[in-house]
Amino acid sequence: ETGVTQSPTHLIKTRGQQVTLRCSSQSGHNTVSWYQQALGQGPQFIFQYYREEENGRGNFPPRFSGLQFPNYSSELNVNALELDDSALYLCASSLAGRSGEQYFGPGTRLTVT
Amino acid sequence: KQEVTQIPAALSVPEGENLVLNCSFTDSAIYNLQWFRQDPGKGLTSLLLIQSSQREQTSGRLNASLDKSSGRSTLYIAASQPGDSATYLCVTMGGATNKLIFGTGTLLAVQP
Repeated sequence: ETGVTQSPTHLIKTRGQQVTLRCSSQSGHNTVSWYQQALGQGPQFIFQYYREEENGRGNFPPRFSGLQFPNYSSELNVNALELDDSALYLCASSLAGRSGEQYFGPGTRLTVT
Repeated sequence: KQEVTQIPAALSVPEGENLVLNCSFTDSAIYNLQWFRQDPGKGLTSLLLIQSSQREQTSGRLNASLDKSSGRSTLYIAASQPGDSATYLCVTMGGATNKLIFGTGTLLAVQP
């Protein structure tokens, strides 16, 4: 059974640029959620995808967007990067349903300069 | 709006001690509660998941309890080891999108 993987591990971008982060969900999982964790803070929910459709969104602006593919892998896209976007981005996969245990990937560390 | 609070914010204990981490949440309408550990700069590792219908879960030296009516959960760590040093996060799941709400975290340091 393959766990949740994320790429890249680290990324440095300049303010105003665009970035794409990738997540491969655990085998058999059909739901992916993305979280932003700023330094010293707890993770904040960005959005969730279920069967290729957005299934809920946190308090993030539209420049944060995502995709989920037929194999349930996912992308997080951030346009017009700001310095405050610097954070650890975590993705979690699960099986849909209220009892679904969440499995997290190792995260992508994004630094915006 | 769900709020999850963890006490203490930081804890330092000598190796071998038993310890308890506390978590409280304001909205008892949760589907489940999970305890995670996070090592510095790393992702989250799931420790225990308690469904809303359950009272406790055990895994090795860890035991987590859940009291939905009072909005409380505890994580008990027996015979602590330096490798247990990490930040521990209590997380509730609820709402239409199974959104996770993270607690404020407890930074644990186990001294050899």
